[in-house]
Amino acid sequence: QSVLTQPPSASGTPGQRVTISCSGSSSNIGSDFVYWYQRLPGTAPILLIYRNNQRPSGVPDRFSGSKSGTSASLAISGLRSEDEADYYCAAWDDNLSAWVFGGGTKLTVL
Amino acid sequence: EVQLLGSGGGLVQPGGSLRLSCAASGFTFSSYAMSWVRQAPGKGLEWVSAISGGGVNTYYADSVKGRFTISRDNSKNTLYVQMNSLRAEDTAVYYCAKNLGYSYGGNYYFDYWGQGTLVTVSS
Repeated sequence: QSVLTQPPSASGTPGQRVTISCSGSSSNIGSDFVYWYQRLPGTAPILLIYRNNQRPSGVPDRFSGSKSGTSASLAISGLRSEDEADYYCAAWDDNLSAWVFGGGTKLTVL
Repeated sequence: EVQLLGSGGGLVQPGGSLRLSCAASGFTFSSYAMSWVRQAPGKGLEWVSAISGGGVNTYYADSVKGRFTISRDNSKNTLYVQMNSLRAEDTAVYYCAKNLGYSYGGNYYFDYWGQGTLVTVSS
């Protein structure tokens, strides 16, 4: 059981906007930043969003992040087939003094 | 370009040992903390261990404390984890990851990851 809760799957058609949620608690998302990682099939995870809503250079602005209270969301607009991947949220947990992750959401582009 | 190349995974019997390595390039290795993160089959990501840039400070998840030992050789730009007393629940893909800064903590997220190496603990 992961500390952060994500839906196991999500889907959308090309061009559509999809959102992936991540739920935590006051000791992690509620008190610190949220990060999102993308793992394409057979590759290493890459940083997609840092500090709630910041994109590293090279990440398209189709990807955006937001946070409210103890929950966060990743939004992908203008969905493309190459966005088909696993997405993970992460946050620092003050009680555990450790990084915690969500269980991952498998995004399918129909 | 930052590159992290993990190796050393394989099949090991319960109670056995294994050492994973992660060769780093493309950045000043000694200036950054490094971590191991794993993913068991069908499960989410789990942080396992971290080590500060100089190698002095180490950190472990409760699930591996006393069994795993993280270390680094800054002269070889290589990160290690020695895994002893392995259990079936240690079966996972192990990723090495670079932390943003010299230390480990809430300000130092994972900005680069390696491709992962599979460890299978089974008789």
